[in-house]
Amino acid sequence: RKEVEQDPGPFNVPEGATVAFNCTYSNSASQSFFWYRQDCRKEPKLLMSVYSSGNEDGRFTAQLNRASQYISLLIRDSKLSDSATYLCVVNERNNAGKSTFGDGTTLTVKP
Amino acid sequence: NAGVTQTPKFRVLKTGQSMTLLCAQDMNHEYMYWYRQDPGMGLRLIHYSVGEGTTAKGEVPDGYNVSRLKKQNFLLGLESAAPSQTSVYFCASSRPGSGNTIYFGEGSWLTVV
Repeated sequence: RKEVEQDPGPFNVPEGATVAFNCTYSNSASQSFFWYRQDCRKEPKLLMSVYSSGNEDGRFTAQLNRASQYISLLIRDSKLSDSATYLCVVNERNNAGKSTFGDGTTLTVKP
Repeated sequence: NAGVTQTPKFRVLKTGQSMTLLCAQDMNHEYMYWYRQDPGMGLRLIHYSVGEGTTAKGEVPDGYNVSRLKKQNFLLGLESAAPSQTSVYFCASSRPGSGNTIYFGEGSWLTVV
């Protein structure tokens, strides 16, 4: 079993739809969590951190469920420009080399 | 603000040739990493460094060597390139205490023929 697992998708949604991705992790010592976005043939870029209380950034909402060991990303009112691969990242605190990336979930938003 | 810079961006090698990928960061980050990403696949950690003069193996270190002689630079070497090393290579850096937010370079596309 992988340490961090994501549904690879692809998720194909129409513009304006709401879509949610989940990411499960196996290491209960994990301390910090992030969502990254990767466009085709580009480097991953930080989308948002995930805080215990949940956090929102515009149309994006991230949540953490420590008890069930998963994080989620909700995208409301999807735009064509949201089409990308979304990677979840799980870190042990201050432990370089222990940043574990999921393989990503691919989202395609269609007109 | 340059962030993480990788050179070269593209390179074609013949099997058995050697080369070095250069990575430089201007954010004064302690940690640096080299990942590879094959088509349609996730990132795999090759080697990483927690500070100047230190290196450690990641998930897929075989066939690669690294050096961190200066804090801002992290070099990835291929001593004898193989077609299986055809990939996109991403350098990244992070700072301890920031939750380890990782910042990536733009990638280096390597083809071994």
